Amino acid sequence: AQTVTQSQPEMSVQEAETVTLSCTYDTSESDYYLFWYKQPPSRQMILVIRQEAYKQQNATENRFSVNFQKAAKSFSLKISDSQLGDAAMYFCAYRDRNRDDKIIFGKGTRLHILP
Amino acid sequence: DSGVTQTPKHLITATGQRVTLRCSPRSGDLSVYWYQQSLDQGLQFLIQYYNGEERAKGNILERFSAQQFPDLHSELNLSSLELGDSALYFCASSASRDRMNTEAFFGQGTRLTVV
Repeated sequence: AQTVTQSQPEMSVQEAETVTLSCTYDTSESDYYLFWYKQPPSRQMILVIRQEAYKQQNATENRFSVNFQKAAKSFSLKISDSQLGDAAMYFCAYRDRNRDDKIIFGKGTRLHILP
Repeated sequence: DSGVTQTPKHLITATGQRVTLRCSPRSGDLSVYWYQQSLDQGLQFLIQYYNGEERAKGNILERFSAQQFPDLHSELNLSSLELGDSALYFCASSASRDRMNTEAFFGQGTRLTVV
């Protein structure tokens, strides 16, 4: 069974600095998607960024980028120029590409932004 | 706005009671997922329906059941409620008829409080 592990329950970063959130996953599949979702205090689940496993290029969305290491099964999220609005719970998630299957979430990392 | 609608937003009920949570997926999405998020916890997958049929089952209690109707909306039924069932229940949808979506789009959740 696929699993997603986030080893950092909480992290803090100074405003305007850069922070990296870690995620590892386990799967026997070769074709899949990886995601980072953000859950602010409103509790809404918001997609931050998506990576297709067949793409070697790391995904980027404005200040958010990932470091996807397929062989190591690692998928970290880098937030540049951190802003107060980035404070949230961040969930790493996995989904098989070839099956319309459930999305499996890690336990989350709570990110604090220090002014 | 994700396009996924969940009702009600808040629900307070007594132990032993039964409640029904409702989800309307994004227009055209065939898959509906239900997740449970207890206080400061990750998202636990409960069940998935695809075009009216059960597709995958997670750690869903026998006291809980769900269904997806011909118009693709879904309902999650929780019975014999216990204090520990208090949680945020999310519905998510994906997979349109035209193409396989990669990510799931989440509703705003139903906050269930059992007293």
